[in-house]
Amino acid sequence: AQKITQTQPGMFVQEKEAVTLDCTYDTSDPSYGLFWYKQPSSGEMIFLIYQGSYDQQNATEGRYSLNFQKARKSANLVISASQLGDSAMYFCAMSPMDSNYQLIWGAGTKLIIKP
Amino acid sequence: SQTIHQWPATLVQPVGSPLSLECTVEGTSNPNLYWYRQAAGRGLQLLFYSIGIDQISSEVPQNLSASRPQDRQFILSSKKLLLSDSGFYLCAWSGGSLYSNQPQHFGDGTRLSIL
Repeated sequence: AQKITQTQPGMFVQEKEAVTLDCTYDTSDPSYGLFWYKQPSSGEMIFLIYQGSYDQQNATEGRYSLNFQKARKSANLVISASQLGDSAMYFCAMSPMDSNYQLIWGAGTKLIIKP
Repeated sequence: SQTIHQWPATLVQPVGSPLSLECTVEGTSNPNLYWYRQAAGRGLQLLFYSIGIDQISSEVPQNLSASRPQDRQFILSSKKLLLSDSGFYLCAWSGGSLYSNQPQHFGDGTRLSIL
């Protein structure tokens, strides 16, 4: 079964520290995409970063990077030099090849950055 | 650039009343369109998705329906709201491709409270 697991329901991190949000996935499809989204308390869902299953390098977008370990089926999000504005819910999602345009979503991790 | 508009931002409705939430996308053609619901503190639940006009798939049987009267317009409706329909509703769009490596982009959401 296609599934996304985020094992950390909540995390507290000191400002300016790096933080890693865990995401593991389960699929038998050889081709798939992995996404991370941020949802602040205001509610909008913001796309952060994408990793394709055949991408040779880990994706990076500014302070965000994706630690993609295909053999372990993990796609952890790393935020460097955390800021107070990083406090939000973070969702990992997957699009298997036969997903018919759908995303499979994890339950999310609530990240709180402490000043 | 592409933008997505969703309204209203908040809505308070009595049980048994009808519902109409609207979403429009600008700056792209033939987008895939999605309606999600999010309960407080929970992940996203896909309600409907559409890959074209008059092509709408329902993921969860319920008293909600969706329509796509125009290419870039997606409407979520109900004839009679239930208390369980309360939640945060998000509209999203993505670029059309058989392999969905395109991220979904979300509107600002509608907070629906049923009294």
